[in-house]
Amino acid sequence: DQQVKQNSPSLSVQEGRISILNCDYTNSMFDYFLWYKKYPAEGPTFLISISSIKDKNEDGRFTVFLNKSAKHLSLHIVPSQPGDSAVYFCAASQGGSEKLVFGKGTKLTVNP
Amino acid sequence: EAQVTQNPRYLITVTGKKLTVTCSQNMNHEYMSWYRQDPGLGLRQIYYSMNVEVTDKGDVPEGYKVSRKEKRNFPLILESPSPNQTSLYFCASGRPMRNNEQFFGPGTRLTVL
Repeated sequence: DQQVKQNSPSLSVQEGRISILNCDYTNSMFDYFLWYKKYPAEGPTFLISISSIKDKNEDGRFTVFLNKSAKHLSLHIVPSQPGDSAVYFCAASQGGSEKLVFGKGTKLTVNP
Repeated sequence: EAQVTQNPRYLITVTGKKLTVTCSQNMNHEYMSWYRQDPGLGLRQIYYSMNVEVTDKGDVPEGYKVSRKEKRNFPLILESPSPNQTSLYFCASGRPMRNNEQFFGPGTRLTVL
């Protein structure tokens, strides 16, 4: 049973436009959500996170939105840059646990 | 430089030949974990450790062993590797209650023939 779902395996956007990556979860006990970015031949790197007590968290060009009632979160990248081309993983955890449950990832391609 | 290191980065081996993938972190993190990444399956947790001498199974522990004798090291042991363990492996570390952010190593690509 997949608890964290990223239903779009890939996404392609033009440089300067907005990229929106989506993530759905099924476990209502999840209370902390993270996005990781992964370049080829490298390990994932932490990008941004959000606690369930918030509905939005912003860090520069990156904003994560959380809709608890819909069990949905999204990552917005504005404006998108070619260097943002990577695989993005959504992850979730519950109750202060260190255990992260990851989605399958979405490959973002930003075209110049 | 704060980092998680893994060795080897690439390994080709044969079925049944015991191997160890090492993982070391220099950030004094209590938490360490192993993941495998497979096409279409994302990152799946194999084992994790909350501290020295404390380890527990993740989602896909079959065929793997771990040990945590020192805080900085968390080796992954495949006693009798099989072809279905061909994968990309990542070690990660983090500090409990610190926003769950985990730091990942560069990965070890393992091929079992």
